[in-house]
This record gives sequence, structure tokens and C-alpha cells, in this order.
Amino acid sequence: SQQGEEDPQALSIQEGENATMNCSYKTSINNLQWYRQNSGRGLVHLILIRSNEREKHSGRLRVTLDTSKKSSSLLITASRAADTASYFCATDAQNSGYALNFGKGTSLLVTP
Amino acid sequence: DTAVSQTPKYLVTQMGNDKSIKCEQNLGHDTMYWYKQDSKKFLKIMFSYNNKELIINETVPNRFSPKSPDKAHLNLHINSLELGDSAVYFCASSQDGGNQPQHFGDGTRLSIL
Repeated sequence: SQQGEEDPQALSIQEGENATMNCSYKTSINNLQWYRQNSGRGLVHLILIRSNEREKHSGRLRVTLDTSKKSSSLLITASRAADTASYFCATDAQNSGYALNFGKGTSLLVTP
Repeated sequence: DTAVSQTPKYLVTQMGNDKSIKCEQNLGHDTMYWYKQDSKKFLKIMFSYNNKELIINETVPNRFSPKSPDKAHLNLHINSLELGDSAVYFCASSQDGGNQPQHFGDGTRLSIL
């Protein structure tokens, strides 16, 4: 069953601006992950945040997690045209081994 | 070096045919997965294999059968293909223990005529 819902569905910004994407989920989690998918390619893992963490950074990426609101956000600072891709949040699927439940994704377009 | 590779990249075939998609990972991971991504980019887990044992099987028709000859390979065989099977199929792998990132192949785009 689908667990995550990203918001917005699509986002268009100019190079240098920041991009913020949000994700909401329904049930309790062990961790939440963000992935990027370039057109015609597989998903690439960006960052994993555990349920007992509130914020995590990786380069130009900043992820927050609010388990009380069952939500997470991904901030990409100083965006580049190469950041153009779809971004997905994923949570561990219950009773499914280590499989992930993915949201519908946010399509990000960064224009020069 | 490609970490998770799947073949073929494109597969065009007719309804009713049987086809297979192969997946191999060279990361030494213990768990492999098959996901299906529909035309709206929604990704759904189909199967998960851990040390050659099926540990989940979502509500996937039994026309789909995963086969794992060893822990580095997880192939997907599909019988009697239907129009609704058209999608992109992704293989992925992860180390055991949960809380681990998954590594994805580049997908196999299956088109049913």
C-alpha cells in the first residue's frame, strides 16, 4: 500500500534558488529515505533519516523529520540545472522485509 | 562498475507471450527486490528476496515468478503477458538489517502490443 505522499507534485525554479519538497506518511516508521530519479534512469539514494533523528545534512541537501506530524521535508539549496529530476520519499513497508513504500514523487525542474 | 544491472533495457512483445528480465548485483548484498513503476511514476514493491528466500510477495498475479539462482541474481519471469503489464520494472538490492539504502538498476521498460 502507498505510504508516502509528496508535495508539491511539480516544482519549477531557477538555478540558484532553493527547492523544498514535503512528504507525509501514514504509519509508524523505522526510517525515511529520499531518492532521486533522472529521466530514464533508476532511483539513486540521497539520504536516510532514522525515526529518532530530526534533521540530517548531506552537501546541499537538508532533510527534516517530524514523527509527531508524520512528515518530512527535503531542501535542496543553491539548485543547479543538474538537479532536475523526480524526487521520492520512501518508508519501510510494514511486514514486508526490507522493501520500501514510495510516494508519488515531486518532479523538479531547474531552469538556467 | 555497474552495481545493479538488469537486462534487457527495453522489451517489446505481444500479449500472451512469456518473457524474462534478468538482474545481477555485484555489491555483495543479501536482499534483492523487484519494483514496478507505472506510467504515473508510482513505484510499488513486487517481490523481495533475502538469501534466496522469498520474504514478501505483494498482491502480484502468479503469472509473475521471481527466480534467484544465487544471492547475486534475481530474475523475473512473466507468463501470459497482458496489456496492463506495460510498465518499467526495477531491480534493487540492499544490505541486510533494515535501515539501509537500496541500490537500483536502470529499469526495464516493458511494452505490450
